[in-house]
Amino acid sequence: KAGVTQTPRYLIKTRGQQVTLSCSPISGHRSVSWYQQTPGQGLQFLFEYFSETQRNKGNFPGRFSGRQFSNSRSEMNVSTLELGDSALYLCASSFQWGNLDYGYTFGSGTRLTVV
Amino acid sequence: LAKTTQPISMDSYEGQEVNITCSHNNIATNDYITWYQQFPSQGPRFIIQGYKTKVTNEVASLFIPADRKSSTLSLPRVSLSDTAVYYCLVGNTGTASKLTFGTGTRLQVTL
Repeated sequence: KAGVTQTPRYLIKTRGQQVTLSCSPISGHRSVSWYQQTPGQGLQFLFEYFSETQRNKGNFPGRFSGRQFSNSRSEMNVSTLELGDSALYLCASSFQWGNLDYGYTFGSGTRLTVV
Repeated sequence: LAKTTQPISMDSYEGQEVNITCSHNNIATNDYITWYQQFPSQGPRFIIQGYKTKVTNEVASLFIPADRKSSTLSLPRVSLSDTAVYYCLVGNTGTASKLTFGTGTRLQVTL
C-alpha cells in the first residue's frame, strides 16, 4: 500500500514569505503529526491532527499552523519565514490518535530552505 | 515525558551483532519503549516496541530488564545498509502523539 506522501520534496523560499506543505497519510490512517528536524535541535514535535481537530501542539510560535481535511490529508503553513525555519519537515500518520501499536509511519519529508 | 539517554555514536563491522542501550530512569508505569531508525533525508522508521522482558521481530530484538530503567536494541549481523541513526523513545497512549526524539545513536557499519 502507498506510504505517507509529502509534497513538495524540496522548497526554497525567501525570508518573510509564507509556505504551505502537504501530507497525505496512509489510507485509513486518521491521525497526522508534523515534526521539524534540524541539525541543531533534532526532531521536534509541531502538532497532531485527528478527525480535523488539533489534538496536541508542540512548543512552536504561532507562525506555524496546520489543518486537516475530511479525507485526513493535512497541510502545515509557516508564515513570515525566518532563516531558522530551514529544516526537514516530516509528517507521520497513524490509525488513531495516540496510537502506540506499530508506531507512527513517517513520510520522506519536505526539505525547506529559507534564503 | 521520560527523558532518554543513548550513546551518541557506535561503530561496527559488517556481520557483527550490535547492541545499543538506552537509559530511561524516569519511565512511567504505563510507558512503552519504542525504537526508530532514520536514514539521511528520510523520515524515521519504526523498528520495534516493547513494555517489558524481550520482544523479537524479523529486524531486531528488544531487551528490557525488570526495573525497565533501560532497554537494549539488538541488531543481529549488521550490514552496511544498517548505517543510520537509531532513536529510543519512551511514552504512553496519552503522550504518544508528542514523540520526543533525543539525539539518537549514529551507527556506522563498515566492511
